[in-house]
Amino acid sequence: AQSVTQPDIHITVSEGASLELRCNYSYGATPYLFWYVQSPGQGLQLLLKYFSGDTLVQGIKGFEAEFKRSQSSFNLRKPSVHWSDAAEYFCAVGVRSGSARQLTFGSGTQLTVLP
Amino acid sequence: DVKVTQSSRYLVKRTGEKVFLECVQDMDHENMFWYRQDPGLGLRLIYFSYDVKMKEKGDIPEGYSVSREKKERFSLILESASTNQTSMYLCAIRLAGGTDTQYFGPGTRLTVL
Repeated sequence: AQSVTQPDIHITVSEGASLELRCNYSYGATPYLFWYVQSPGQGLQLLLKYFSGDTLVQGIKGFEAEFKRSQSSFNLRKPSVHWSDAAEYFCAVGVRSGSARQLTFGSGTQLTVLP
Repeated sequence: DVKVTQSSRYLVKRTGEKVFLECVQDMDHENMFWYRQDPGLGLRLIYFSYDVKMKEKGDIPEGYSVSREKKERFSLILESASTNQTSMYLCAIRLAGGTDTQYFGPGTRLTVL
């Protein structure tokens, strides 16, 4: 069965520092991969997605992610974190289940940004 | 822009009450989803619908039902609310075209006392 692992429950970085959030997936076929961000009390906002082609994808708010098939990973990066990036981040993989396609989510990584 | 609206941001109900959570989209999207979100567990799929009157169970359907009488509206029903259904509930839609991308509503935080 498909699964998504985000090994870091909570990460703290200083403002201006670089950031990498880890995501590993388990899925038999070539996956569709996503990163979403959730600010407190809000719904999820799509940051970026990978379907095929270039393994380095750019997203909104200065985020990027790299798909590494050999490592089954899709890590999210940002070169310089801003205080407004404090939020919870979710990695997801698109899978086929029954008659439809759906997303399987990781358990999330909470990001704290220190001034 | 895709717009997904949920009827309430915060809801407080009592054990045993019947609870309706409404989700409305502003375009003709076929696929709609209900998730619940709990700390440390991420998002778990309760039910989804791929067309009017069509529904499929997700990973945790027990204690829930759904209704989709019109394309733009997908309702989640708690027949008899229990305290372990206290959670954040998120509705999402998926655009046609096979890209799997889902767009989410703002969520409803339900507390069952």
